[in-house]
This record gives sequence, C-alpha cells and structure tokens, in this order.
Amino acid sequence: EIVLTQSPATLSLSPGERATLSCRASQSVNNKLGWFQHKPGQAPRLLIYDVSSRATGISARFSGSGSGTDFTLTISSLEPEDFAIYYCQQRNGWPRTFGQGTKVETK
Amino acid sequence: EVQLVESGGGLVQPGGSLRLSCSVSGFTFNNHAMTWVRQAPGKGLEWVSEINVNEAKTNYADSVKGRFTISRDNSKSTLYLQMNNLRAEDTAVYYCAKYQGRGHPDNYWGTADSWGQGTLVTVSS
Repeated sequence: EIVLTQSPATLSLSPGERATLSCRASQSVNNKLGWFQHKPGQAPRLLIYDVSSRATGISARFSGSGSGTDFTLTISSLEPEDFAIYYCQQRNGWPRTFGQGTKVETK
Repeated sequence: EVQLVESGGGLVQPGGSLRLSCSVSGFTFNNHAMTWVRQAPGKGLEWVSEINVNEAKTNYADSVKGRFTISRDNSKSTLYLQMNNLRAEDTAVYYCAKYQGRGHPDNYWGTADSWGQGTLVTVSS
C-alpha cells in the first residue's frame, strides 16, 4: 500500500497569504497524484489531477507541482472561501490512498 | 450540470446490511467508471471501491473486501454499494464519485472529478 504523508497538519494563514501544502508518497506514484478540497457538510472538490493539471473551473491561484514522491499544492493568494481541508490522493496502485489531510485555517 | 445524489444511508445494527444508491445526471453514465469513498467521524477520506463502465472490473479496499459489493445499472444511471455484515467501524459518510475514465479494459481510470454530497451510515446497537 502506498502511504501518503501530508504536512503540515494545520496551516494558519491570513487571506491574501500564500499557502504551500506538501504530500510525500512512500514510493513512486508515476505522477498519478491529485488534490481535493473538502469543506464540512459539502462534497469534496477536485482541484488538481496528475500532479499539475487544474480541474475544470478551478481558479489559477491553485497550482500543483512535484515528481517522484514529493508533491506540492500551492494557493498563491488565499481567498476567504479557500479555508478548508486539503487531501492528496494517489491512483497509481491499489488500494487508492489519501493523505491524512492538511487543514488551512484562518490566522 | 453534473449531479450525483446518494441515498440509502441510515442506522443499522452490527451484522446488518444496507444498500446505498447513487443516482446521476448531467453526463453519460456508461462512459465513466465510478467509485465510493467514505469519511468516518473526525477522520479523513478513505477509498472504498470502484467499478469500470461495464462491471467487468471492480476493486475494493481490504477493509471491506468480502462484505461490500459495488455494482451499477447503466439503464438507470445508478451506482450501488451493497454492504453486508456491517461493523461499527463502517460508520461514515459515504460519497459516490465519477471518474474521468472508463477503467477496464484500457486501464485508464483517471481521477474522481465530480462527487455527491454523501449519505450517512451509522452502525450501532
């Protein structure tokens, strides 16, 4: 099983600041790595797939990067609606696995 | 507009059964593989199962293998999850989601790009 480790667990930032979220895989995921945003009581939302491709309708302030086992989600300038929990997920093997999540909260 | 609506959740005793449904609209259901993902109270997201477009290929998490069965009815644009021998640790909100790809046989599943709002399953005596 591929284990995904996200850091930090919590990120305390203010609107307008830059957010950098990390996801490290226990083995190569062949760039089959996505990022989701999840707010309480809502459906998870796909932001980024295959490391760096933005999903339909996703703002350009969200970007993904990385390769091999180390990946990053960057939110260039936080908007009020961006405060949420973010998960990475790999689809390179089975079982599909998620990271434990990073909570982006208001400072 | 793509829509996925889960139903069938509720309270069930340990050892009991429940069938979840996911009714979809706004896209061609039989062109997309589908998946179930759950979130236990206070926990993160956990992948549960997936199915390709024609039910030829299904995959399961070890935690549910042998107890849960995923299926689909393309004529009704509906995805199902039959859950048997339920345990307390199955308590969670269950989400259905649409994959970008078809799955087997081309082996392109893609990423889950549209999700439902979820249905709550509580396993308790």
